[in-house]
Amino acid sequence: DAGVTQSPTHLIKTRGQQVTLRCSPKSGHDTVSWYQQALGQGPQFIFQYYEEEERQRGNFPDRFSGHQFPNYSSELNVNALLLGDSALYLCASSLRENYGYTFGSGTRLTVV
Amino acid sequence: AQKVTQAQTEISVVEKEDVTLDCVYETRDTTYYLFWYKQPPSGELVFLIRRNSFDEQNEISGRYSWNFQKSTSSFNFTITASQVVDSAVYFCALSEARSGGSYIPTFGRGTSLIVHP
Repeated sequence: DAGVTQSPTHLIKTRGQQVTLRCSPKSGHDTVSWYQQALGQGPQFIFQYYEEEERQRGNFPDRFSGHQFPNYSSELNVNALLLGDSALYLCASSLRENYGYTFGSGTRLTVV
Repeated sequence: AQKVTQAQTEISVVEKEDVTLDCVYETRDTTYYLFWYKQPPSGELVFLIRRNSFDEQNEISGRYSWNFQKSTSSFNFTITASQVVDSAVYFCALSEARSGGSYIPTFGRGTSLIVHP
């Protein structure tokens, strides 16, 4: 049973560019959450998608947007990249009424 | 204000030593959930335990044990007879109900545990 799959694993972008990160949830899960983890810090909640809609959002600017597809997979888009966006981006999936989150291994984004 | 405080940034022990990782949380809710996750160098957060606010019973799972005390808002994690494979960053997290009824984990800054052979 595959867990949460994220792609790509590593990415290098230039300041000002745009990036799209992808996530496939664990089989049977319908809710996807995205977290940003800066080096040496705990994961910070970006937003959560359920039924193809953004249901909850953390304290992140509008440059961060997302999408959930009918098959529950999700994308995280970041526009106008800043150096400070360099981080590990983690995707977590869960079943709506279940509080157990399963995390992927993340995408390491480096902005230069 | 930080909702989850892990005051220990890094702990270094020798194999077979016992080690306790501290977690103090802050919430006004009566219903909430507490978690511990392990993050090895690969990056994936591995779920260790979930505890709801109404269950203060301590739990033991092999070499791992957790002590939940609402009176001190703490949820500490003890590894008995530590092993090199326990080396990782450990995160404590708190989930409170948000609008719409969803629970979103808020993580502490983590404690890096280094177990030396």
